[in-house]
Amino acid sequence: GEDVEQSLFLSVREGDSSVINCTYTDSSSTYLYWYKQEPGAGLQLLTYIFSNMDMKQDQRLTVLLNKKDKHLSLRIADTQTGDSAIYFCAERGSGNTGKLIFGQGTTLQVKP
Amino acid sequence: DTGVSQDPRHKITKRGQNVTFRCDPISEHNRLYWYRQTLGQGPEFLTYFQNEAQLEKSRLLSDRFSAERPKGSFSTLEIQRTEQGDSAMYLCASSSRGLVSGNTIYFGEGSWLTVV
Repeated sequence: GEDVEQSLFLSVREGDSSVINCTYTDSSSTYLYWYKQEPGAGLQLLTYIFSNMDMKQDQRLTVLLNKKDKHLSLRIADTQTGDSAIYFCAERGSGNTGKLIFGQGTTLQVKP
Repeated sequence: DTGVSQDPRHKITKRGQNVTFRCDPISEHNRLYWYRQTLGQGPEFLTYFQNEAQLEKSRLLSDRFSAERPKGSFSTLEIQRTEQGDSAMYLCASSSRGLVSGNTIYFGEGSWLTVV
């Protein structure tokens, strides 16, 4: 079945890079997403990557995809205290619905 | 801002009561999704509409839950005879069917339900 796994917690110092990792099981995933959730709020789409790409860069965000190992990572350069939040990885299967399967989220704590 | 809008943002209800949540998607989006998120977990898919047609329902959506999208615009999610286990945040999302824009799925701020 479809499953997405993430480590639960990451703590970094302000100004350092953060790397959040995710593994998924569905080899037919077409797109993989990263969402950010602040306390009590909904999900903010950060970025997504198509499954035939290895890397995507968007300002401070870099997404790396290893399709062979079904491993996805999100690197945040120059992490700021405002980046403290829960980050969710999600996969979208090959069906036409656009349904997403989410991981349990990684809490990023940024220390000043 | 014309993002996905949800109402109410918070609802406290007594066990056994019915509740209804409303979602207004981004105006040009024809796809609409409902998800449920409990504390410490990622969102779980509940159901999906394309225009007014409900095309997929999760097994999580028991017969106490019903969702509608009567004119292909806003949607409602009703929970009948609420139970304490229904306490969660209910998230609505929308996307278009376009080849590129259909890849972007936007979420609302969610509706928190507390059943006491």
